[in-house]
Amino acid sequence: GAVVSQHPSRVICKSGTSVKIECRSLDFQATTMFWYRQFPKQSLMLMATSNEGSKATYEQGVEKDKFLINHASLTLSTLTVTSAHPEDSSFYICSAIREDRGSYEQYFGPGTRLTVT
Amino acid sequence: QKEVEQDPGPLSVPEGAIVSLNCTYSNSAFQYFMWYRQYSRKGPELLMYTYSSGNKEDGRFTAQVDKSSKYISLFIRDSQPSDSATYLCAMSAGGYNKLIFGAGTRLAVHP
Repeated sequence: GAVVSQHPSRVICKSGTSVKIECRSLDFQATTMFWYRQFPKQSLMLMATSNEGSKATYEQGVEKDKFLINHASLTLSTLTVTSAHPEDSSFYICSAIREDRGSYEQYFGPGTRLTVT
Repeated sequence: QKEVEQDPGPLSVPEGAIVSLNCTYSNSAFQYFMWYRQYSRKGPELLMYTYSSGNKEDGRFTAQVDKSSKYISLFIRDSQPSDSATYLCAMSAGGYNKLIFGAGTRLAVHP
C-alpha cells in the first residue's frame, strides 16, 4: 500500500510552547490530507481537512488559531499546535488520499504522540 | 443517532476461529466502505476497500457490503494472535469526502 510518514513519532513539550508535526506522502501526491486526534481507547476524531494551496477546513469545535495547518506542497502537510496545554496531549494522526483511476483510498501515517507537561 | 454504529467489544476468540465484525450506518450517500486495523499506539492500516455492494476477498479477510440493509461486515478466517487489534470501519460518499469512522472493535485472539 501507499506510505504516509509522520515526524516526530513522539514529542514532549512544556505548556505554552508550540509544536509542529509533519505529514508526508512518500510515494504519491496528495492534494487532500486529513488531521485526526485520538484519545486512549477511542476512535479517531477528525480535526481538519488540509487542501494543497488553500486554507484548511476545520471541524466544528476545533480552534483554527490553535491548530495551524499548512499544506505547502502535494506531499507535505504540517500541523502546529500553538500554546500547547496538557489537555492537548493526545495521539495525532494524519492521512492522505491517493486517487488512482477513480478509486480514492485513504492512507494513514503512524501517528505522533504529543505529551504536554 | 450516530452515522456509523460499531460495537466496541471487546471480542475475545480462540486461535483459528472465524471472526465476524460489523457496522451499520444511516447515510444512504455512502458509497465507499473501508476496514482499518489499528495496533496499539500505531496509525490505522487499510485492510479492505470496497465500492458499493458486494463481497471482496483478500487472503483470510472478506469484506461484505449490503447497501439495502446499510450493513457491512468483515470476516477473518483462521484467526491468529497477530490479528489482535482494534478494527475500525469507515465509509464516505466518495471522492475527497471525509471518512466517517465507527467506534472500533477491539479483538483479542488467544492461543
